[in-house]
Amino acid sequence: KAGVTQTPRYLIKTRGQQVTLSCSPISGHRSVSWYQQTPGQGLQFLFEYFSETQRNKGNFPGRFSGRQFSNSRSEMNVSTLELGDSALYLCASSLEGKGYQPQHFGDGTRLSIL
Amino acid sequence: DQQVKQNSPSLSVQEGRISILNCDYTNSMFDYFLWYKKYPAEGPTFLISISSIKDKNEDGRFTVFLNKSAKHLSLHIVPSQPGDSAVYFCAASVGGSGNEKLTFGTGTRLTIIP
Repeated sequence: KAGVTQTPRYLIKTRGQQVTLSCSPISGHRSVSWYQQTPGQGLQFLFEYFSETQRNKGNFPGRFSGRQFSNSRSEMNVSTLELGDSALYLCASSLEGKGYQPQHFGDGTRLSIL
Repeated sequence: DQQVKQNSPSLSVQEGRISILNCDYTNSMFDYFLWYKKYPAEGPTFLISISSIKDKNEDGRFTVFLNKSAKHLSLHIVPSQPGDSAVYFCAASVGGSGNEKLTFGTGTRLTIIP
């Protein structure tokens, strides 16, 4: 069974640019969550989507946004990139999004801002 | 405010012995807890979870214990194997529909000594 797939694996951008990251959840999973991992802040929740609707959002500025498509695939967008946005961005999916179910993670997109 | 804490950044254990990883939380609303293992350049891999209605859950070599009164959980790995060397993250959530947000600890690096 295929796992969570994230593309691209690595990305280099410059300050002020924007970026779009993609996530394909495990087949049949309907909830997709995004996390940012940095050495200083650890793993932090960005947002979660279910049935194309954002249900929960973490404490990140509005430059971070996302969406989910009808096939449950999700994209995350970061606009006006800052040096501090350099991080590993992880996507996770779960079956029904009802809680009390584990989330399964992809291998992430490593974003570097120059 | 660190709601989930892993106070030991690292732990070394001899192969074949028991590894015990600890995690404390402060938010009494958390009622679903998970452990993830992470290798470098890979996403976190789900290991085991427990809901607050239980105090123990076992899966093969992995056992998670939950002490709600102390707001403490631990992961026991018996026997420890070289492949268990990785960073282990404790995570917690307020279970229920729409509450997919996981709050992570800062991780414990486990090294199994052959």
